[in-house]
Amino acid sequence: KAGVTQTPRYLIKTRGQQVTLSCSPISGHRSVSWYQQTPGQGLQFLFEYFSETQRNKGNFPGRFSGRQFSNSRSEMNVSTLELGDSALYLCASSLVGEKLFFGSGTQLSVL
Amino acid sequence: GEDVEQSLFLSVREGDSSVINCTYTDSSSTYLYWYKQEPGAGLQLLTYIFSNMDMKQDQRLTVLLNKKDKHLSLRIADTQTGDSAIYFCARRTNTDKLIFGTGTRLQVFP
Repeated sequence: KAGVTQTPRYLIKTRGQQVTLSCSPISGHRSVSWYQQTPGQGLQFLFEYFSETQRNKGNFPGRFSGRQFSNSRSEMNVSTLELGDSALYLCASSLVGEKLFFGSGTQLSVL
Repeated sequence: GEDVEQSLFLSVREGDSSVINCTYTDSSSTYLYWYKQEPGAGLQLLTYIFSNMDMKQDQRLTVLLNKKDKHLSLRIADTQTGDSAIYFCARRTNTDKLIFGTGTRLQVFP
Protein backbone atom coordinates (compact mmCIF):
# COMPACT_ATOMS: atom_id res chain seq x y z
CA LYS A 1 0.00 0.00 0.00
CA ALA A 2 1.43 3.38 -0.98
CA GLY A 3 2.07 5.86 1.81
CA VAL A 4 1.05 9.49 2.03
CA THR A 5 2.31 11.30 -1.06
CA GLN A 6 3.08 14.99 -1.10
CA THR A 7 3.99 17.04 -4.13
CA PRO A 8 6.10 18.88 -4.93
CA ARG A 9 9.00 17.91 -2.71
CA TYR A 10 10.64 21.34 -2.94
CA LEU A 11 9.35 24.77 -3.89
CA ILE A 12 11.00 28.16 -4.18
CA LYS A 13 8.77 31.20 -4.31
CA THR A 14 9.16 34.94 -3.81
CA ARG A 15 7.33 37.18 -1.38
CA GLY A 16 3.83 38.10 -2.46
CA GLN A 17 3.31 35.01 -4.61
CA GLN A 18 0.90 32.24 -3.80
CA VAL A 19 1.53 28.51 -3.63
CA THR A 20 -0.53 25.31 -3.72
CA LEU A 21 0.67 22.08 -2.14
CA SER A 22 -0.85 18.69 -2.76
CA CYS A 23 -1.37 15.63 -0.58
CA SER A 24 -2.65 12.18 -1.55
CA PRO A 25 -3.57 10.14 1.54
CA ILE A 26 -3.17 6.42 2.00
CA SER A 27 -5.86 4.59 0.08
CA GLY A 28 -9.03 4.37 2.15
CA HIS A 29 -8.06 7.14 4.56
CA ARG A 30 -10.62 9.93 4.70
CA SER A 31 -9.00 12.26 7.20
CA VAL A 32 -6.19 14.54 6.06
CA SER A 33 -4.45 17.06 8.27
CA TRP A 34 -1.68 19.57 7.61
CA TYR A 35 1.19 20.71 9.81
CA GLN A 36 3.87 23.35 9.47
CA GLN A 37 7.38 22.65 10.76
CA THR A 38 9.88 25.46 11.33
CA PRO A 39 13.08 25.57 13.42
CA GLY A 40 11.65 28.33 15.58
CA GLN A 41 8.06 27.21 16.16
CA GLY A 42 8.40 23.46 15.75
CA LEU A 43 5.44 21.46 14.48
CA GLN A 44 2.16 23.34 14.41
CA PHE A 45 -1.29 22.19 13.33
CA LEU A 46 -2.81 23.99 10.35
CA PHE A 47 -6.12 22.26 9.64
CA GLU A 48 -7.86 18.93 9.24
CA TYR A 49 -10.33 17.71 6.64
CA PHE A 50 -12.68 14.77 6.72
CA SER A 51 -15.01 13.87 3.85
CA GLU A 52 -14.40 17.25 2.17
CA THR A 53 -15.27 19.23 5.31
CA GLN A 54 -12.84 21.19 7.44
CA ARG A 55 -13.27 19.83 10.95
CA ASN A 56 -10.55 21.70 12.77
CA LYS A 57 -8.34 24.71 12.23
CA GLY A 58 -5.18 25.93 13.92
CA ASN A 59 -4.08 29.46 14.71
CA PHE A 60 -2.87 30.59 11.32
CA PRO A 61 -3.92 33.66 9.34
CA GLY A 62 -6.53 33.47 6.62
CA ARG A 63 -3.78 33.42 3.98
CA PHE A 64 -3.55 29.71 4.75
CA SER A 65 -6.42 27.71 3.33
CA GLY A 66 -7.14 24.20 2.24
CA ARG A 67 -9.62 21.89 0.69
CA GLN A 68 -10.31 18.23 0.24
CA PHE A 69 -11.70 16.53 -2.82
CA SER A 70 -14.15 13.65 -3.10
CA ASN A 71 -11.26 11.19 -3.58
CA SER A 72 -9.79 12.43 -0.23
CA ARG A 73 -6.84 14.16 -1.89
CA SER A 74 -6.16 17.50 -0.28
CA GLU A 75 -4.54 20.76 -1.25
CA MET A 76 -3.39 23.64 0.85
CA ASN A 77 -2.88 27.13 -0.47
CA VAL A 78 -0.87 30.00 0.93
CA SER A 79 -1.50 33.41 -0.60
CA THR A 80 0.65 36.54 -0.39
CA LEU A 81 3.69 34.61 0.78
CA GLU A 82 5.89 36.06 3.50
CA LEU A 83 9.47 35.16 4.38
CA GLY A 84 8.21 33.55 7.59
CA ASP A 85 6.16 31.05 5.61
CA SER A 86 9.37 29.21 4.71
CA ALA A 87 8.89 25.81 6.30
CA LEU A 88 8.41 22.10 5.83
CA TYR A 89 4.71 21.45 5.28
CA LEU A 90 3.62 17.99 6.33
CA CYS A 91 0.44 16.18 5.53
CA ALA A 92 -0.93 13.28 7.56
CA SER A 93 -3.72 10.85 6.85
CA SER A 94 -5.69 8.47 9.01
CA LEU A 95 -8.68 6.24 9.11
CA VAL A 96 -11.11 7.08 11.85
CA GLY A 97 -8.89 5.76 14.57
CA GLU A 98 -5.61 6.15 16.33
CA LYS A 99 -2.79 6.09 13.77
CA LEU A 100 -1.71 9.16 11.83
CA PHE A 101 0.74 8.61 9.01
CA PHE A 102 2.80 11.45 7.61
CA GLY A 103 4.18 12.12 4.17
CA SER A 104 7.73 13.29 3.43
CA GLY A 105 6.62 16.89 3.26
CA THR A 106 7.02 19.84 0.92
CA GLN A 107 9.95 22.13 1.69
CA LEU A 108 8.87 25.68 0.84
CA SER A 109 11.44 28.44 0.61
CA VAL A 110 10.24 32.02 0.28
CA LEU A 111 12.83 34.49 -1.02
CA GLY B 1 -2.36 24.61 28.19
CA GLU B 2 -1.10 22.81 25.17
CA ASP B 3 2.58 22.62 26.06
CA VAL B 4 4.44 19.41 25.43
CA GLU B 5 8.06 19.51 26.50
CA GLN B 6 11.08 17.35 25.78
CA SER B 7 14.77 17.60 26.50
CA LEU B 8 16.67 18.76 23.43
CA PHE B 9 19.50 16.30 23.21
CA LEU B 10 20.48 12.76 24.21
CA SER B 11 23.71 10.95 23.47
CA VAL B 12 24.12 7.19 24.01
CA ARG B 13 26.61 4.49 23.19
CA GLU B 14 25.66 1.84 20.64
CA GLY B 15 24.14 -1.18 22.38
CA ASP B 16 22.95 0.78 25.42
CA SER B 17 19.33 1.68 26.12
CA SER B 18 18.00 5.15 25.34
CA VAL B 19 15.24 6.80 27.33
CA ILE B 20 13.56 9.86 25.86
CA ASN B 21 11.22 11.79 28.13
CA CYS B 22 8.22 14.00 27.51
CA THR B 23 5.94 15.98 29.80
CA TYR B 24 2.64 17.63 29.00
CA THR B 25 0.29 19.93 30.82
CA ASP B 26 -3.19 19.09 29.48
CA SER B 27 -4.62 15.78 30.64
CA SER B 28 -7.44 15.70 28.07
CA SER B 29 -5.45 13.61 25.61
CA THR B 30 -6.86 10.59 23.79
CA TYR B 31 -3.66 9.09 22.43
CA LEU B 32 0.02 9.85 22.85
CA TYR B 33 2.51 9.19 20.08
CA TRP B 34 6.18 8.86 19.35
CA TYR B 35 7.44 9.86 15.92
CA LYS B 36 10.95 9.68 14.45
CA GLN B 37 12.32 12.18 11.96
CA GLU B 38 15.51 11.64 10.01
CA PRO B 39 17.24 14.49 8.15
CA GLY B 40 15.25 15.72 5.20
CA ALA B 41 12.40 13.31 5.85
CA GLY B 42 8.87 13.38 7.19
CA LEU B 43 7.64 11.87 10.44
CA GLN B 44 7.69 8.13 10.91
CA LEU B 45 5.18 6.74 13.40
CA LEU B 46 7.06 4.56 15.87
CA THR B 47 4.42 3.70 18.42
CA TYR B 48 1.48 5.11 20.31
CA ILE B 49 -0.41 4.50 23.52
CA PHE B 50 -4.00 5.06 24.48
CA SER B 51 -4.35 7.45 27.38
CA ASN B 52 -5.85 4.86 29.73
CA MET B 53 -2.87 2.52 29.36
CA ASP B 54 0.29 2.54 31.46
CA MET B 55 2.71 0.70 29.24
CA LYS B 56 3.10 -0.63 25.73
CA GLN B 57 5.94 -2.73 24.37
CA ASP B 58 6.71 -3.21 20.70
CA GLN B 59 9.95 -5.09 19.95
CA ARG B 60 12.80 -2.77 21.03
CA LEU B 61 10.44 0.03 22.01
CA THR B 62 8.75 0.46 25.39
CA VAL B 63 6.39 3.32 26.11
CA LEU B 64 5.55 4.26 29.69
CA LEU B 65 2.77 6.66 30.60
CA ASN B 66 2.38 8.19 34.05
CA LYS B 67 -0.94 9.98 33.90
CA LYS B 68 -0.67 11.43 37.39
CA ASP B 69 2.61 13.17 36.58
CA LYS B 70 1.68 13.75 32.90
CA HIS B 71 4.91 12.08 31.87
CA LEU B 72 5.54 9.93 28.82
CA SER B 73 8.76 8.09 28.03
CA LEU B 74 10.16 6.05 25.15
CA ARG B 75 12.79 3.44 25.86
CA ILE B 76 14.80 2.06 22.94
CA ALA B 77 16.63 -1.14 23.83
CA ASP B 78 19.97 -2.03 22.20
CA THR B 79 20.24 1.36 20.50
CA GLN B 80 21.85 1.28 17.05
CA THR B 81 23.45 3.98 14.92
CA GLY B 82 20.39 3.84 12.66
CA ASP B 83 18.34 5.09 15.59
CA SER B 84 20.09 8.47 15.40
CA ALA B 85 17.32 10.95 14.58
CA ILE B 86 14.99 13.49 16.17
CA TYR B 87 12.19 11.98 18.24
CA PHE B 88 8.92 13.81 18.79
CA CYS B 89 6.26 13.02 21.30
CA ALA B 90 2.76 14.25 20.55
CA ARG B 91 -0.58 14.18 22.26
CA ARG B 92 -3.86 13.93 20.42
CA THR B 93 -6.50 16.33 21.68
CA ASN B 94 -10.20 15.58 21.93
CA THR B 95 -10.61 17.59 18.69
CA ASP B 96 -8.20 15.20 16.96
CA LYS B 97 -5.31 17.56 16.39
CA LEU B 98 -1.77 16.64 17.44
CA ILE B 99 0.24 18.84 19.77
CA PHE B 100 3.93 18.09 19.33
CA GLY B 101 6.86 18.41 21.65
CA THR B 102 10.00 20.28 20.68
CA GLY B 103 11.81 17.10 19.69
CA THR B 104 14.81 15.28 21.18
CA ARG B 105 17.87 14.76 19.04
CA LEU B 106 19.28 11.29 19.73
CA GLN B 107 22.91 10.73 18.83
CA VAL B 108 24.29 7.20 18.95
CA PHE B 109 28.05 6.80 19.02
CA PRO B 110 30.07 3.59 18.54
